[in-house]
Amino acid sequence: DIQMTQSPSSVSASVGDRVIITCRASQGIRSWLAWYQQKPGKAPKLLIYAASSLQSGVPSRFSGSGSGTDFTLTISSLHPEDFATYYCQQANSFPITFGQGTRLEIK
Amino acid sequence: EVQLVESGGGLIQPGGSLRLSCAASGFTVSSDYMTWVRQAPGKGLEWVSGFYSGGRTFYADSVKGRYTISRDDSKNALYLQMNSLRAEDTAIYYCARPMTGTNWFDSWGQGALVTVSS
Repeated sequence: DIQMTQSPSSVSASVGDRVIITCRASQGIRSWLAWYQQKPGKAPKLLIYAASSLQSGVPSRFSGSGSGTDFTLTISSLHPEDFATYYCQQANSFPITFGQGTRLEIK
Repeated sequence: EVQLVESGGGLIQPGGSLRLSCAASGFTVSSDYMTWVRQAPGKGLEWVSGFYSGGRTFYADSVKGRYTISRDDSKNALYLQMNSLRAEDTAIYYCARPMTGTNWFDSWGQGALVTVSS
């Protein structure tokens, strides 16, 4: 199985800050990576797919990059509604696997 | 508008069985991939199973041999039959539909809570 490792596990930041979350795959997954945002008590929301494609309706302050084993999710300027948990997910091979999550908290 | 509504969750004793349902609207399940993803309390997301074109099914190692995914095209619904349940199966189970032909999950249900406890 492909293991997905996110860092950091949690991060504190302020409104307006730039935040970068990284995700590393245990083997190459080309660009088969997605990012999700989840708020408490809610289902996850797809933000980025194919490593860098912005899902329809997602603000442009979210961006993704990377290929192979190393990927990043960047939020260019934090808004209050961005405080949530973020997950990466690989779709290169079965079983599909997620990272352990990164909790983004208000400083 | 795509809508997914899970049902069938509840409290079940270890070793018991439960069947989750996912009623779909706004699209036809027969024309799309469909999956189940779960989340244990306070934990991360875990892909459980998927139903793909040609009737192909896939499972996470943690549920293989105990869970069965199926689909009823006449009811436009997806199911997850869960047998030999364990405490570690306790989770919210989400039905999710990926973008067509992919494994990018852009539509999710509200989730069904399954609690395995004596």
